[in-house]
Amino acid sequence: GENVEQHPSTLSVQEGDSAVIKCTYSDSASNYFPWYKQELGKRPQLIIDIRSNVGEKKDQRIAVTLNKTAKHFSLHITETQPEDSAVYFCAATYQAGTALIFGKGTTLSVSS
Amino acid sequence: GAGVSQSPSNKVTEKGKDVELRCDPISGHTALYWYRQRLGQGLEFLIYFQGNSAPDKSGLPSDRFSAERTGESVSTLTIQRTQQEDSAVYLCASSLGTELNYGYTFGSGTRLTVV
Repeated sequence: GENVEQHPSTLSVQEGDSAVIKCTYSDSASNYFPWYKQELGKRPQLIIDIRSNVGEKKDQRIAVTLNKTAKHFSLHITETQPEDSAVYFCAATYQAGTALIFGKGTTLSVSS
Repeated sequence: GAGVSQSPSNKVTEKGKDVELRCDPISGHTALYWYRQRLGQGLEFLIYFQGNSAPDKSGLPSDRFSAERTGESVSTLTIQRTQQEDSAVYLCASSLGTELNYGYTFGSGTRLTVV
C-alpha cells in the first residue's frame, strides 16, 4: 500500500517569508496529490491538488510541485501571513476508488 | 445537509465500554471515509465506503472496530471494549464519488476520550 512521509513536522517563519513543505510517497502508481489545511480545532480543508500529468500548479500565494521520478511533491506558500498558521497535510492515492493516505502533518507558525 | 455532520461532538467513555459514532455525509455524496487523528498526529485511514460496493476495511486497527453504512447515507463507526489508546478525534469525510477530482469534505469530528 501507499506510504506518505512529510517534512518538516514543524516550521516557523516570519511574516512575508516563504514556506516549503515536502512529501515523499512510496507507490509509483500514485497519481493524485492533494494538500489539506487544518486550523486549530477545525476540520481539514482542501487547499490545492495536483495530478501526475502536471508538474506544477499555482493558486495565488500557494503552489504545488510534483517530481514523479523522485516520487516527491511540495507545497510552497509565498508572502506568508499569520492566518497561514495551521497544520498542513499532504496526501496521495494511486487510483480512483481508493482512500487518500495522509502524511503526518506540518505545523506552520507565521509570526508577525 | 449543507456539510458533513458528525455526532456526538464529544464522547467520554469508560474503558471496556462500547461506543458508536455517527456520520451524516453530504446528500448525493456516494463515497464516505473514516479517519482517526490522535493528538498531534496525522490522519490515519480506517475504512472507506463507495455506493453499494464492499467497503475497504484495510485500515481498521483491530476487530474491535467496525463500521456500517446504509446505502449512500448515514454511517456508524462502532468501537467495542474501548481502550485508552482509542482516544482520538474520529473524522468522517465524504466525496461525490471516486473520481480523483472529487475532493473530500470533512466533518468536525467526534473527540473520543476513554478513561
